[in-house]
Amino acid sequence: TQLLEQSPQFLSIQEGENLTVYCNSSSVFSSLQWYRQEPGEGPVLLVTVVTGGEVKKLKRLTFQFGDARKDSSLHITAAQPGDTGLYLCAGSLSGSARQLTFGSGTQLTVLP
Amino acid sequence: NAGVMQNPRHLVRRRGQEARLRCSPMKGHSHVYWYRQLPEEGLKFMVYLQKENIIDESGMPKERFSAEFPKEGPSILRIQQVVRGDSAAYFCASSRTSGGEKLFFGSGTQLSVL
Repeated sequence: TQLLEQSPQFLSIQEGENLTVYCNSSSVFSSLQWYRQEPGEGPVLLVTVVTGGEVKKLKRLTFQFGDARKDSSLHITAAQPGDTGLYLCAGSLSGSARQLTFGSGTQLTVLP
Repeated sequence: NAGVMQNPRHLVRRRGQEARLRCSPMKGHSHVYWYRQLPEEGLKFMVYLQKENIIDESGMPKERFSAEFPKEGPSILRIQQVVRGDSAAYFCASSRTSGGEKLFFGSGTQLSVL
């Protein structure tokens, strides 16, 4: 059983559409991170959220940390083909980078 | 990803051989983490090292796997007597401290065991 459940597992949309992906857990995390990974490459950190209820924006990407710090969402507005990739959430139970727990990811494909 | 160097990018081994994966952290980073990624799965923590010390190896299989981060040179993940189930992408990450800050990942080594 995954400590962090991501949904959907796969998502294919047309350019210009909006989408939301989710990261859920029954555990409380000190912090939660979102990464994007492209084929044949390592994950690249997009954002870290620390405070319950926190919302962070990165251009067309909006990240939210649940009030109880058990879940998070990533919303993309007007998706572009360049957004295609594997989106991973990762939680830290201890507040430390060591032993980040990763979800299994959402594979996003944005069709032109 | 810039700065964390992993080699080789691809490694093919036959069952029973040894695999040695190398990772040079970003300049100024003294904390190294190894993760393993299987197809359609997230990254699984294996081991966390600082220079010359293994800090946390709770994710490492008890047999055949070992890791080191010597005073000089790259961190090495060593897998002895590889089996087909060891086939995976192995990623190294580094950070300046262990205090929950940003991890920088390398591009990974794809290990294929024939």
